[in-house]
Amino acid sequence: SQQGEEDPQALSIQEGENATMNCSYKTSINNLQWYRQNSGRGLVHLILIRSNEREKHSGRLRVTLDTSKKSSSLLITASRAADTASYFCAYILTGGGNKLTFGTGTQLKVEL
Amino acid sequence: GAVVSQHPSWVICKSGTSVKIECRSLDFQATTMFWYRQFPKQSLMLMATSNEGSKATYEQGVEKDKFLINHASLTLSTLTVTSAHPEDSSFYICSATMQGKSYGYTFGSGTRLTVV
Repeated sequence: SQQGEEDPQALSIQEGENATMNCSYKTSINNLQWYRQNSGRGLVHLILIRSNEREKHSGRLRVTLDTSKKSSSLLITASRAADTASYFCAYILTGGGNKLTFGTGTQLKVEL
Repeated sequence: GAVVSQHPSWVICKSGTSVKIECRSLDFQATTMFWYRQFPKQSLMLMATSNEGSKATYEQGVEKDKFLINHASLTLSTLTVTSAHPEDSSFYICSATMQGKSYGYTFGSGTRLTVV
């Protein structure tokens, strides 16, 4: 399976703390994206990082990509209760057309 | 921004019946639509890719006769679960993208199917 692994599977933090989740994949990719999913809902695109980029920021989000280690991380700073959701990395394999492959996901819970 | 409408948001059906789920791109032409299945607390698993006007491409292990996909127009794709069984109960999500865009994916809000 080409499905990426994410860790941790679940993360519980206090509001105001930072949350870091990691994604590892198995083969060459064109770009890597992070999505958020609230319980029982669809996915919302958060950020995309290309294979020739190492770091990208968007608001409270910071994404890194290390293609040599085939891994990416998503950092959410100053977390809020509203950040409680599942987070998935997703990527297109080189030569994979336009099919997204999703990681296993991290369930984040931010407590007041 | 791009919007994809998925309907219904939830459905309960009896075993043996068929259920149709619609996925519409409201403000763009979706040359490709994808259908995913998601079990509780698990990730999304791609079921099939459909391109407008052509037959869907199914992932390994997905029964094409059970999960009928139609993409008759650039704004509408449908997934029909035929002769549904309790093990088909799941969360089904569609996404759509425009030709040439490898990063512009818009997801529907999902359909919770419960087969009793």
